[in-house]
Amino acid sequence: EAGVAQSPRYKIIEKRQSVAFWCNPISGHATLYWYQQILGQGPKLLIQFQNNGVVDDSQLPKDRFSAERLKGVDSTLKIQPAKLEDSAVYLCASRRGTANEKLFFGSGTQLSVL
Amino acid sequence: AQSVTQLDSQVPVFEEAPVELRCNYSSSVSVYLFWYVQYPNQGLQLLLKYLSGSTLVKGINGFEAEFNKSQTSFHLRKPSVHISDTAEYFCAVTPYNFNKFYFGSGTKLNVKP
Repeated sequence: EAGVAQSPRYKIIEKRQSVAFWCNPISGHATLYWYQQILGQGPKLLIQFQNNGVVDDSQLPKDRFSAERLKGVDSTLKIQPAKLEDSAVYLCASRRGTANEKLFFGSGTQLSVL
Repeated sequence: AQSVTQLDSQVPVFEEAPVELRCNYSSSVSVYLFWYVQYPNQGLQLLLKYLSGSTLVKGINGFEAEFNKSQTSFHLRKPSVHISDTAEYFCAVTPYNFNKFYFGSGTKLNVKP
């Protein structure tokens, strides 16, 4: 089966600019996650979707980050405006449903904010 | 609340030597435990998981891990490593309701020839 697709692979922007990331989960996977992985740290959950509804966004900095999953399939994560501390790898993961525990990860988008 | 501690940020080891990557967790509820591996420029892949039953679980590529409830540990082991095992390894826990995964900070395994 095709894996979780993410784009772009790399992005370099200046602080205060905007950026968007895209994720297409595995077909049929109802649950989608966005993680932030700062260098030297483990992935930190930003937001979790169940179909097109938000399950958990408690760790999402809502003053600058936003995410949507229209139609319950692919998703976009946006940062506006970006700060230096947003430099990280943004990982998208999906899972078939709440009863299936395995996460499938995309290759991530590496963001550098200068 | 849950937390995961991986005590070693880097582990250098020679090829064909045994290795153990340590993971300890803290949780107020029962959890399931996982090890994920991240090869350079790739996403995380599931290595193995403990859900119930035997506390010794075997995963892909010859890795195994042992769940120790009294010590709240889930250490990863391999009796003989290969160059291709060079990667970063993440321990993770999830409460029984599967809603959230909590990851450790990762251990970089560097296998030298």
